Amino acid sequence: KAGVTQTPRYLIKTRGQQVTLSCSPISGHRSVSWYQQTPGQGLQFLFEYFSETQRNKGNFPGRFSGRQFSNSRSEMNVSTLELGDSALYLCASAPLGGQGLDEQYFGPGTRLTVT
Amino acid sequence: KNQVEQSPQSLIILEGKNCTLQCNYTVSPFSNLRWYKQDTGRGPVSLTIMTFSENTKSNGRYTATLDADTKQSSLHITASQLSDSASYICVVSSFTSGTYKYIFGTGTRLKVLA
Repeated sequence: KAGVTQTPRYLIKTRGQQVTLSCSPISGHRSVSWYQQTPGQGLQFLFEYFSETQRNKGNFPGRFSGRQFSNSRSEMNVSTLELGDSALYLCASAPLGGQGLDEQYFGPGTRLTVT
Repeated sequence: KNQVEQSPQSLIILEGKNCTLQCNYTVSPFSNLRWYKQDTGRGPVSLTIMTFSENTKSNGRYTATLDADTKQSSLHITASQLSDSASYICVVSSFTSGTYKYIFGTGTRLKVLA
């Protein structure tokens, strides 16, 4: 079974631009969560999608948004990029997600650098 | 304030030795606690998931303990191997008002030397 894939793996953008990251979950998984990881803050939860609906959301500004398609693939969008948005963005999939004891499977991440 | 603190921040041990990583939390209400291993340049991999009623869970050479009264968890690694070199992250989840919150520790960076 193929794992979670994320594209692109690396990205360099300029302040003020917007960016879209993509995540393909493990086949059959309906939950996709997004996380931001920085050296200073560690891992932080962005949001979770389940069956095309945002089910849970962390404490990030509205510049961070996402969506999920009917095939469970998910995209994350960041508008008006700031230098502080430079981070590793991780996607994780789970069969049902939420707070069940589903195991989450993480992708390799997208390294975003904002200059 | 909901917080998860991990100690030590970093640790260096010799191959074959045991070690214990600590996770203290002030998250309330508590739902479950997870330990993840993250190799450099890769996404985290789940090691254990523990609920309130569980106080020990093992995954091979990894054994996690949970004391819900003192709000402490530990991850014990037995007979360490070079491949154990990674960051270990403790995550506590909380369920309130119909939504879940995930509070992450900043991790312990472990280096195992030959």
